[in-house]
Amino acid sequence: NAGVTQTPKFQVLKTGQSMTLQCAQDMNHEYMSWYRQDPGMGLRLIHYSVGAGITDQGEVPNGYNVSRSTTEDFPLRLLSAAPSQTSVYFCASRRTGDAEAFFGQGTRLTVV
Amino acid sequence: DAKTTQPPSMDCAEGRAANLPCNHSTISGNEYVYWYRQIHSQGPQYIIHGLKNNETNEMASLIITEDRKSSTLILPHATLRDTAVYYCIVRLYSGNTPLVFGKGTRLSVIA
Repeated sequence: NAGVTQTPKFQVLKTGQSMTLQCAQDMNHEYMSWYRQDPGMGLRLIHYSVGAGITDQGEVPNGYNVSRSTTEDFPLRLLSAAPSQTSVYFCASRRTGDAEAFFGQGTRLTVV
Repeated sequence: DAKTTQPPSMDCAEGRAANLPCNHSTISGNEYVYWYRQIHSQGPQYIIHGLKNNETNEMASLIITEDRKSSTLILPHATLRDTAVYYCIVRLYSGNTPLVFGKGTRLSVIA
């Protein structure tokens, strides 16, 4: 099992550009989520999904879109990148009812 | 979900036990205590969780007070590789409840 795979690992965007951060898991987990982590801060929840076709907003959803068309994939879209979205983004997954969540290695995004 | 309070940082000598406290005075009866850690800039890693009984696994022990208003994560023999930020999280044990992270405790294990 590869676990939770995030691509790309690093990305630099210009203000106003759009892009999609990819997250894939091969553990057949129903629950997936996206977090962002700013320097010196804890993780903040952006969006989450409890299964294919179902998504919900977290603490800081503005400026981000998600969709969940398959169990395996949960992409995060930045519609119009802003410098305030410079951060490290983590994707996580877990089986519904399990305590343990598995995290990817993160995508480091810089918006200039 | 109940809020948690953790000290921002702690030091521990290598080989000694590291005791990381967490206050969760507003915890409700069906909320669990979870601990995760984040080593350097990696993704967080699950450590342990519990409801009201003490729990132990290969990584750590979790001691929850009888009134459940606080808990302590114990790393019995800390190594340099245990240097990390440790997060105490309280949440319902249900499929749809997300993990909400605070700022955690930065543990530095010193040789």
